[in-house]
Amino acid sequence: NAGVTQTPKFRVLKTGQSMTLLCAQDMNHEYMYWYRQDPGMGLRLIHYSVGEGTTAKGEVPDGYNVSRLKKQNFLLGLESAAPSQTSVYFCASSYSAGAPTYNEQFFGPGTRLTVL
Amino acid sequence: QKEVEQDPGPLSVPEGAIVSLNCTYSNSAFQYFMWYRQYSRKGPELLMYTYSSGNKEDGRFTAQVDKSSKYISLFIRDSQPSDSATYLCASRGAGGTSYGKLTFGQGTILTVHP
Repeated sequence: NAGVTQTPKFRVLKTGQSMTLLCAQDMNHEYMYWYRQDPGMGLRLIHYSVGEGTTAKGEVPDGYNVSRLKKQNFLLGLESAAPSQTSVYFCASSYSAGAPTYNEQFFGPGTRLTVL
Repeated sequence: QKEVEQDPGPLSVPEGAIVSLNCTYSNSAFQYFMWYRQYSRKGPELLMYTYSSGNKEDGRFTAQVDKSSKYISLFIRDSQPSDSATYLCASRGAGGTSYGKLTFGQGTILTVHP
């Protein structure tokens, strides 16, 4: 199993450009999440999905959109990138219910995005 | 104020030292408490979790939660250079409506030098 994979690993954008980050998981997880990680801020939840075709806002959703057309994929879009969106983006997935053992979030390797 | 607060360090200790990492939280609804370990340029991985108050031990690692003081701790005994990483505490509420959403602390950067 590949677990959680993210594409691309690195990207540099100019202000105003758009891009899509792809997250894929092969663990048949119901829940998927997008986080951003900034120095001194920890991981902050951007958007999440509790199943195919559903999405919901997290802590810092502004400037981002997401889609979950297939259970195994969760896409994060930046329509008009801003320097404040320079960050490391992590995708995670988990099972839907039960004890933390079954709700452990598995993380991808991250995407390093720089917006100039 | 963040719901989960963690001293970002950095923390530098000699090999063999006992390491204490700590977090505080403010949301009384939090029931599950996790510690994630993140190596440089990698994604976080679950290290330990506890439910409600109490201790949990796994090898050299002990996780401790005191709900009365809203304090979360991770102790590492006989620390090794391979323990050098960022340690993130995380918490979430119980029940289905939490959807497994975690609230993370800022992370503590730990370096164990030989």
